[in-house]
Amino acid sequence: EVQLVESGGGLVQPGWSLRLSCAASGLTVSRSFMSWVRQAPGRGLEWVSMIYSDDSGGTIHYRDSVKGRFTISRDNSRNTLYLQMNSLRTDDTAVYYCARWTGTDYDCWGQGSLVTVSS
Amino acid sequence: EIVLTQSPATLSLSPGERATLSCRASQSISNYLAWYQQKPGQAPRLLISDASNRATGIPGRFSGSGSGTDFTLTISSLEPEDFAVYYCQQRSTWPQTFGQGTKLEIK
Repeated sequence: EVQLVESGGGLVQPGWSLRLSCAASGLTVSRSFMSWVRQAPGRGLEWVSMIYSDDSGGTIHYRDSVKGRFTISRDNSRNTLYLQMNSLRTDDTAVYYCARWTGTDYDCWGQGSLVTVSS
Repeated sequence: EIVLTQSPATLSLSPGERATLSCRASQSISNYLAWYQQKPGQAPRLLISDASNRATGIPGRFSGSGSGTDFTLTISSLEPEDFAVYYCQQRSTWPQTFGQGTKLEIK
């Protein structure tokens, strides 16, 4: 059974940093396309970042609003995906989900990790 | 950025009725559209990929159609567990985008 478990969320002040983790089981992160998708309170879904599988070159994409501030990465030995978030802003407040991209859809999602940016 | 507009924002129906949800893209996305269901406090769940392909384990009452700019998710006969928020998502052009959602509520 595939399982994704996020951790690392919390309450931080604007300008601070936070690192989210997504521990995977039942799938190999290095051989998967993985994304972070977020959902602001009471709002819809918003794609944040994607990292391609190793054998597809590990290409990385970010949405414009997080470029230069967020970094997606993975630790293959831990089978874990990360999202390093720097210079956080109040509009980054959201539940952050990690999800596996199949090439056509997101077929597996974690339970989400809440990030609150507030002074 | 491709904008996906879902309508209606809220749909009030009774169990057993037919639900028709719409997703319109701001430009053609071929059939590169997926549908997800989300219940309160839960992660989204994949329903449909490539506009009309049901995901594994999804009941046959869910069906998707459309191509280009206009897409439809149909639930043929609503079950109590179908009341949730539904999102469409396109993969035609970066960045991937989602619609704002349609809330399907019990009438």
